[in-house]
Amino acid sequence: SYELTQPPSVSVSPGQTARITCSGDALPKLYVHWYQKKPGQAPVLVMYQDNERPSGIPERFSGSSSGTTGTLTISGVQAEDEADYYCQSADSSGSYQEVFGGGTKLTVL
Amino acid sequence: QLQLQESGPGLVKPSQTLSLTCTVSGGSISSGTYYWSWIRQPAGKGLEWIGRIYTSGSTDYNPSLKSRVSIFRDTSRNHFFLKLSAVTAADTAVYYCARGISVFGVPGSWFDPWGQGTVVTVSS
Repeated sequence: SYELTQPPSVSVSPGQTARITCSGDALPKLYVHWYQKKPGQAPVLVMYQDNERPSGIPERFSGSSSGTTGTLTISGVQAEDEADYYCQSADSSGSYQEVFGGGTKLTVL
Repeated sequence: QLQLQESGPGLVKPSQTLSLTCTVSGGSISSGTYYWSWIRQPAGKGLEWIGRIYTSGSTDYNPSLKSRVSIFRDTSRNHFFLKLSAVTAADTAVYYCARGISVFGVPGSWFDPWGQGTVVTVSS
């Protein structure tokens, strides 16, 4: 089955830049999307179609994709950004079933 | 503003069928370039896509769950439903419903918004 691979954890100090990667063989052909998940809360879409930021998401969140790797970048990280982040894309075979990465825990030191 | 809300029993016995409802308000489940998905998260684990129902009523399921899953809808009440049969402890999770957004001609989609989630525990 198709997999998206994320690092389990990323740690940064406040004000620094956090980069969270997502690797998948189909990413050259398909978009990657990103969600922020805090404990006890529903996931929130923070980036779609590689680099489109939804309304209400701070400008410090940005996205990119190159080859088989998508990247979510958070510039000037704030304490409130501490959360789990999940990438999501689709399996390029068949009916494009949706797939999530394993998640990355962002710790703000 | 579109809102989704999950509901259903919080406790299901092993081997029985899990049944959940997603109530959608602020938009119709039978119009637009959208589809309606179920996603779950077991405690301490990542997100898992379960399946979706299109505005046409057709469905797709995660191959790993396909033999046990059914998603259907009631357009008159603007609800869609999840049934998962023969549950085990491994099906214990927070279950979310979400709207999938797609662009015509572009494969894949993203999820926004999500419901708040409902906890389902499988235990005797």
